[in-house]
Amino acid sequence: DQQVKQNSPSLSVQEGRISILNCDYTNSMFDYFLWYKKYPAEGPTFLISISSIKDKNEDGRFTVFLNKSAKHLSLHIVPSQPGDSAVYFCAATNAYSGAGSYQLTFGKGTKLSVIP
Amino acid sequence: NAGVTQTPKFQVLKTGQSMTLQCAQDMNHNSMYWYRQDPGMGLRLIYYSASEGTTDKGEVPNGYNVSRLNKREFSLRLESAAPSQTSVYFCASMERDRGEGNYGYTFGSGTRLTVV
Repeated sequence: DQQVKQNSPSLSVQEGRISILNCDYTNSMFDYFLWYKKYPAEGPTFLISISSIKDKNEDGRFTVFLNKSAKHLSLHIVPSQPGDSAVYFCAATNAYSGAGSYQLTFGKGTKLSVIP
Repeated sequence: NAGVTQTPKFQVLKTGQSMTLQCAQDMNHNSMYWYRQDPGMGLRLIYYSASEGTTDKGEVPNGYNVSRLNKREFSLRLESAAPSQTSVYFCASMERDRGEGNYGYTFGSGTRLTVV
């Protein structure tokens, strides 16, 4: 049973436009959410995160939105640049329980292509 | 540079052979993880170590063993490799931040393993 779902395997966007990557989760115990970016032949790198007490977090061109009632989060990239072309993974964890080792559960990823 | 170092970067094994994937981090992190990435499957947790001296199974532990040698090093062993273990393996580490900090991982660059 997939607890973190990224239903779009790929997305193409023109340079300068907005990229919106979506993620849904089923486990109501998740309280911390992250986005990772991965280039070919490299390890994933942390991009941005959000805790369940917030509904929005911004970092430069990147904004993550969380809708807890819908169990949905999205990553907005504005404006999109060719260097943003990568695979983006959504991840979730139960970070505030006070127990456990903060295992991240990942989605399958969305490949973003930004066209010059 | 500080980070997570994985060796080797590439390996080809014959079915039934054994090998150990090495991982070391120099950030003094408590928790370490092994993930595998397969096409269309995202990142799946194999084993993790919440702290030195402890290890636990993740989502897909069958066919693997791990050793948390010390705080820096966490190795993954394949005792009898099978073609189904052909994958890219990522090691990661994390330091728990109890505040509003980042619960994300720092990943290594991966080991690409092919079992023939």
